[in-house]
Amino acid sequence: GEDVEQSLFLSVREGDSSVINCTYTDSSSTYLYWYKQEPGAGLQLLTYIFSNMDMKQDQRLTVLLNKKDKHLSLRIADTQTGDSAIYFCAESAQGNTPLVFGKGTRLSVIA
Amino acid sequence: EAGVVQSPRYKIIEKKQPVAFWCNPISGHNTLYWYLQNLGQGPELLIRYENEEAVDDSQLPKDRFSAERLKGVDSTLKIQPAELGDSAVYLCASTPPGSNEQFFGPGTRLTVL
Repeated sequence: GEDVEQSLFLSVREGDSSVINCTYTDSSSTYLYWYKQEPGAGLQLLTYIFSNMDMKQDQRLTVLLNKKDKHLSLRIADTQTGDSAIYFCAESAQGNTPLVFGKGTRLSVIA
Repeated sequence: EAGVVQSPRYKIIEKKQPVAFWCNPISGHNTLYWYLQNLGQGPELLIRYENEEAVDDSQLPKDRFSAERLKGVDSTLKIQPAELGDSAVYLCASTPPGSNEQFFGPGTRLTVL
């Protein structure tokens, strides 16, 4: 079945870059997403990438996709304390099909 | 534009009691999802609606869980009877036609004692 794996924890210093990694198994994944979840809140869509793209940049966020290795990463430049949250990688085969999520990476930003 | 609305935000019940959660998706969003998020895990799909039709309910434990979206707008998820293992966050999400973006509500945190 489909599986999405992420490392569970990441700690960085304020101002540094954060890189959160994700691997997935479903070769038919068409859309790959990054969501952010703050304590007690729902999931906020940060960005997504189509499987025919290698990279997508949106302000401080850069998504890299290596489709051959089924590896996705999210880079946050100039990480701030407000970036502390859990980041979920997710994939779906089609536009409105259910998302398959990883377990989330808890990012801690040290001032 | 208002986001996905869920109520209640928190619910504490004793085991074997019934409980219901309500979701109002973003206006115009025809696809509605209910996800279950256990502590320390990512969300997992329970059921997906296209308008009023449940098109994917394979992960819904039908012996105790039920859902409805009668008019293709808001939706209710029910558990009867609740078990200790049902303690989790229940998330609702919606997607507009032709889009791949799912917008999530804040969730209902259920505690079963």
